[in-house]
Amino acid sequence: IAGITQAPTSQILAAGRRMTLRCTQDMRHNAMYWYRQDLGLGLRLIHYSNTAGTTGKGEVPDGYSVSRANTDDFPLTLASAVPSQTSVYFCASSESGTGELFFGEGSRLTVL
Amino acid sequence: GQNIDQPTEMTATEGAIVQINCTYQTSGFNGLFWYQQHAGEAPTFLSYNVLDGLEEKGRFSSFLSRSKGYSYLLLKELQMKDSASYLCAVRDSNYQLIWGAGTKLIIKP
Repeated sequence: IAGITQAPTSQILAAGRRMTLRCTQDMRHNAMYWYRQDLGLGLRLIHYSNTAGTTGKGEVPDGYSVSRANTDDFPLTLASAVPSQTSVYFCASSESGTGELFFGEGSRLTVL
Repeated sequence: GQNIDQPTEMTATEGAIVQINCTYQTSGFNGLFWYQQHAGEAPTFLSYNVLDGLEEKGRFSSFLSRSKGYSYLLLKELQMKDSASYLCAVRDSNYQLIWGAGTKLIIKP
């Protein structure tokens, strides 16, 4: 693999179910991010991690959690999915946290 | 509050030139980015401006005026493959990226 890999690509989920979106990068970047993208809105930051072992809340963190056990992996968990979490989720990374972002291909999540 | 404004949609003709504007109001400024996003795909980096002036990269150029809170992306010799959304993002004083909603550019033959 090269770059950032997200899984699943697409998922339909019943409300109330738990879901984890996976994100793995092979660029050894320190900083990683989870965004959601909704029609008519800019990308909104959910959670971020500046380095392995640390995480922080973004603009819209409620209902989501993350972990950063190592440099490469940054999973996003929805503990109990709700319809308003229907969105396209992008994982991204950057080398230093101040440079350009590299994005995964996105995970399209539909919560019914 | 923090705000990034871009036109929602623009239309241009193949071979022509188009300018996509972005105005911003943020708490501090640590650089402005432009990204391209084709439908159903991930955003990809186009340009970065931190100082006033024009940055040229092939057919694409990006301009920044920090005093005016203004940037534009200039696309020359438009090709059909340039049909995409163009996202403007500003890094604020906390080094967080604030994103505009994007400008959908439609190229007509």
